[in-house]
Amino acid sequence: EADIYQTPRYLVIGTGKKITLECSQTMGHDKMYWYQQDPGMELHLIHYSYGVNSTEKGDLSSESTVSRIRTEHFPLTLESARPSHTSQYLCASSERLPDTQYFGPGTRLTVL
Amino acid sequence: LAKTTQPISMDSYEGQEVNITCSHNNIATNDYITWYQQFPSQGPRFIIQGYKTKVTNEVASLFIPADRKSSTLSLPRVSLSDTAVYYCLVGDDNYGQNFVFGPGTRLSVLP
Repeated sequence: EADIYQTPRYLVIGTGKKITLECSQTMGHDKMYWYQQDPGMELHLIHYSYGVNSTEKGDLSSESTVSRIRTEHFPLTLESARPSHTSQYLCASSERLPDTQYFGPGTRLTVL
Repeated sequence: LAKTTQPISMDSYEGQEVNITCSHNNIATNDYITWYQQFPSQGPRFIIQGYKTKVTNEVASLFIPADRKSSTLSLPRVSLSDTAVYYCLVGDDNYGQNFVFGPGTRLSVLP
């Protein structure tokens, strides 16, 4: 079983607040990802990282930012939350060869 | 990046074998084929991965013909708990290439 953790699992917050979603993995994977998924809809890649100090934007434009200061840690930050940010956020990490992604349990964010 | 096509939905009954086929006509030489399963409100879970021929694990089998332009995920004797969305992804570890999950196949297992 993969060891990838996300906190909090659920978050309800008011508009304009700054939030950070935490993601950690203990597998030593270089590659990490953030996806956004609305209920019943497709997964969309919003950020990825290939290692420390490497971050890139994904296919879906997002107002969030990420950082990768340590291999095991890949937090996502929203400076000013809005109702349009309400969604489920899934973090994943992968081995290099071949690419097999392991997902965390997700954070369900609701912005009022 | 090889594009994949799979049925949007499938229905089955408990105890039946389910086969989900994925088309990937533009698969590259270095690409692997990976299948994931996702339950509602959870992240996708890796099921099986292969490069060619047949791969089997405790959960499923993956059949890949010689031309590798398609693959079939086989779930033996499904149960209600196999109701989920199944995604087929094709790619390799080429840095700069990202995998697109697409809509997947929504499998409904009926009693």
